[in-house]
Amino acid sequence: SQTIHQWPATLVQPVGSPLSLECTVEGTSNPNLYWYRQAAGRGLQLLFYSVGIGQISSEVPQNLSASRPQDRQFILSSKKLLLSDSGFYLCAWSVGQWGETQYFGPGTRLLVL
Amino acid sequence: AQSVSQHNHHVILSEAASLELGCNYSYGGTVNLFWYVQYPGQHLQLLLKYFSGDPLVKGIKGFEAEFIKSKFSFNLRKPSVQWSDTAEYFCAVNGMDSNYQLIWGAGTKLIIKP
Repeated sequence: SQTIHQWPATLVQPVGSPLSLECTVEGTSNPNLYWYRQAAGRGLQLLFYSVGIGQISSEVPQNLSASRPQDRQFILSSKKLLLSDSGFYLCAWSVGQWGETQYFGPGTRLLVL
Repeated sequence: AQSVSQHNHHVILSEAASLELGCNYSYGGTVNLFWYVQYPGQHLQLLLKYFSGDPLVKGIKGFEAEFIKSKFSFNLRKPSVQWSDTAEYFCAVNGMDSNYQLIWGAGTKLIIKP
């Protein structure tokens, strides 16, 4: 069966520090991968998605970037964190094309101080 | 641009009460519709989905949703809620030209009083 891992679960970082959040998927090949930010009372905001290695689409211009160095690995990064980057970050995967169900990881809670 | 509106941000019910959570979307073309649920301390998970066919869709744990195309709605229902239904519920829509993107509602926090 398929599983999705995210780490770390919780992270506290100072403003201006770099960020690297990792997401890996097991049990499936060539998944579509997604990074979301979940804000209280505002639902999920899609940040990046990837349909293959090295293919990244950005939905919201901001202080973050994403990379997909391997088929089942998706990394969310920042060179210099801002206070506004605090939030709950979710990774998800799906297979196939339009409209397939997305499956979510446990999330990473990031607090920037 | 596509958008999804969930009418209630917070709902409090007693056990055995009936539930209906509203979801409306703005998109004129073919859509896939989803309800996801996030139980306290757990992953966001799929509750039910509509792709085509019967507009009345049944999901896990006794939930169902009805797609009414003319009203651009996909309301979630359950005839008798339980304390374990306490969770946050999200409606999401994927339009045919949106490629891989799900557009999400803001979520409804449901609290069931025992």
